[in-house]
Amino acid sequence: GESVGLHLPTLSVQEGDNSIINCAYSNSASDYFIWYKQESGKGPQFIIDIRSNMDKRQGQRVTVLLNKTVKHLSLQIAATQPGDSAVYFCAENMEGAQKLVFGQGTRLTINP
Amino acid sequence: DTAVSQTPKYLVTQMGNDKSIKCEQNLGHDTMYWYKQDSKKFLKIMFSYNNKELIINETVPNRFSPKSPDKAHLNLHINSLELGDSAVYFCASSQGGAQTQYFGPGTRLLVL
Repeated sequence: GESVGLHLPTLSVQEGDNSIINCAYSNSASDYFIWYKQESGKGPQFIIDIRSNMDKRQGQRVTVLLNKTVKHLSLQIAATQPGDSAVYFCAENMEGAQKLVFGQGTRLTINP
Repeated sequence: DTAVSQTPKYLVTQMGNDKSIKCEQNLGHDTMYWYKQDSKKFLKIMFSYNNKELIINETVPNRFSPKSPDKAHLNLHINSLELGDSAVYFCASSQGGAQTQYFGPGTRLLVL
């Protein structure tokens, strides 16, 4: 069945360091892989997505890597800031399917 | 200028009661969703609507009845509330593909 999972439920990094959040997925038929950020008391917020025919995509301070061979997705955040503290979810979508399948989430905390 | 709004923000009620949660989006999107987030932060799709028509019902008990009076609104009515219904319910909307969704702030439902 469909599932998107995460290797680490929590991640603690020093301010200024780079953060890497990992995700494993099982549905090879997914067309998009997406990262969402959820701050405390708020709804999830879109960060970046990547199509299944790509292996890397960069945004502002964020990079998403997709390894289809091992069904692995990662989000790299450069120069982590206090405002990056949140729960990060990976999600997948099949084109034409009006839904996202979310993973469990990783809580990222920033140490000053 | 809230893009996706939900009311109420908090809802505390007794088992067996019936309650409604309202959602409105001012983004002009065609597709709206309801998600449930449990105490472990796991997010799961419940319903998807496109232009007021039900697209996805993700095996949700029929005590949950969504209603879309127009494409800017998607309300959720829950009959005979159970303890297990306690969760945070998020409304979201999108236009075109489902990978970029805009989430509301959530409604925290507690059933006693």
